[in-house]
Amino acid sequence: DVKVTQSSRYLVKRTGEKVFLECVQDMDHENMFWYRQDPGLGLRLIYFSYDVKMKEKGDIPEGYSVSREKKERFSLILESASTNQTSMYLCASSPPGQGFREQYFGPGTRLTVT
Amino acid sequence: TQLLEQSPQFLSIQEGENLTVYCNSSSVFSSLQWYRQEPGEGPVLLVTVVTGGEVKKLKRLTFQFGDARKDSSLHITAAQTGDTGLYLCAGAPSGTYKYIFGTGTRLKVLA
Repeated sequence: DVKVTQSSRYLVKRTGEKVFLECVQDMDHENMFWYRQDPGLGLRLIYFSYDVKMKEKGDIPEGYSVSREKKERFSLILESASTNQTSMYLCASSPPGQGFREQYFGPGTRLTVT
Repeated sequence: TQLLEQSPQFLSIQEGENLTVYCNSSSVFSSLQWYRQEPGEGPVLLVTVVTGGEVKKLKRLTFQFGDARKDSSLHITAAQTGDTGLYLCAGAPSGTYKYIFGTGTRLKVLA
């Protein structure tokens, strides 16, 4: 079974802090994704990566950056956390040749910025 | 804007009842996926439908892809409390790499 793990299930940070969210997958997947999920807005893509050191902006990249130094690990960074970044953050991966379909998700990190 | 509209948005039913949820778009999709997300967890992939008119069964869940590949449905027979969750359809419109998620149907099955 594909396993995607995220470093924290719950996180509380203060406004202005730098926040790191880590995601690791164990299935050698090429593609990895970061989403945020908010009530009424659904899942929105923040960034994705199709290879090590490669990244592409999603629909809402403002205020975020990412890092992919190793194939199995994809990090989301909030440079200076703000209250409007309070959300559920979901990491996903998908195998090559699938055109990003059939994504496997981690359990999510519920981030609260106060 | 390419959208996947799901209906109904919310559904509350008694255990043992049958239900159908719908996923509709004006775009053609090469395939569609269905996911279920339980409260506090990430979505879990249930199935992929690829061919127009295709029907796939997963125990009490039946998934159908429309003939024109613009819509899909999920039918649950004899719902159980364990079916409670958010059901999401998703896919990439043909000719694009952009993967989009539907608006979701939140199902609650009462004992």
